[in-house]
Amino acid sequence: GDSVTQMEGPVTLSEEACLTINCTYTATGYPSLFWYVQYPGEGLQLLLKATKADDKGSNKGFEATYRKETTSFHLEKGSVQVSDSAVYFCALSDLSRDDKIIFGKGTRLHILP
Amino acid sequence: GAGVSQSPSNKVTEKGKDVELRCDPISGHTALYWYRQSLGQGLEFLIYFQGNSAPDKSGLPSDRFSAERTGGSVSTLTIQRTQQEDSAVYLCASSLLTGYEQYFGPGTRLTVT
Repeated sequence: GDSVTQMEGPVTLSEEACLTINCTYTATGYPSLFWYVQYPGEGLQLLLKATKADDKGSNKGFEATYRKETTSFHLEKGSVQVSDSAVYFCALSDLSRDDKIIFGKGTRLHILP
Repeated sequence: GAGVSQSPSNKVTEKGKDVELRCDPISGHTALYWYRQSLGQGLEFLIYFQGNSAPDKSGLPSDRFSAERTGGSVSTLTIQRTQQEDSAVYLCASSLLTGYEQYFGPGTRLTVT
């Protein structure tokens, strides 16, 4: 079945450092890809998404590009802030079949001031 | 406007008791989803509703789990004869229609002692 694999955390960086969180997926169809974020004490929020190959999703300085050839959707940010500390989930949904979201296990990110 | 709400926010119950978890979706959203977030398993899909019907119950872990939705609005997830492995955060999400962005509630943290 479809699945998502993302790098395990926690990831600890200093403020203004460069961030990459790796994510790869396995899918038989043509999924949409997502990054969700869960800030401390809050619910899951959609951070960005891409619906087809070579699309780039971006939001709040974060970017991810849908790479079909490498089945990847790595999350990147050039300069992280303390407020970016959260758990990040890579996910996919194949709208041609059903609507459920399949999540990776999450990566906890700590940003030190 | 109001987001997805869930109640209770925390629930502690004894092993063997039944529990009911409630989800109030965003008004007008026809699709509703239940997920479970646990330490060992990450985020798992449980069930989704389109209107009052549940086309996909494949994620329910056992026959102790059931869910219903009435009036195309509120949904209740019921766990009978709770076990310690049921301890998790239960998340609800809703979307305008299937295939649209899912908005998540804050979750119910269930602890089975």
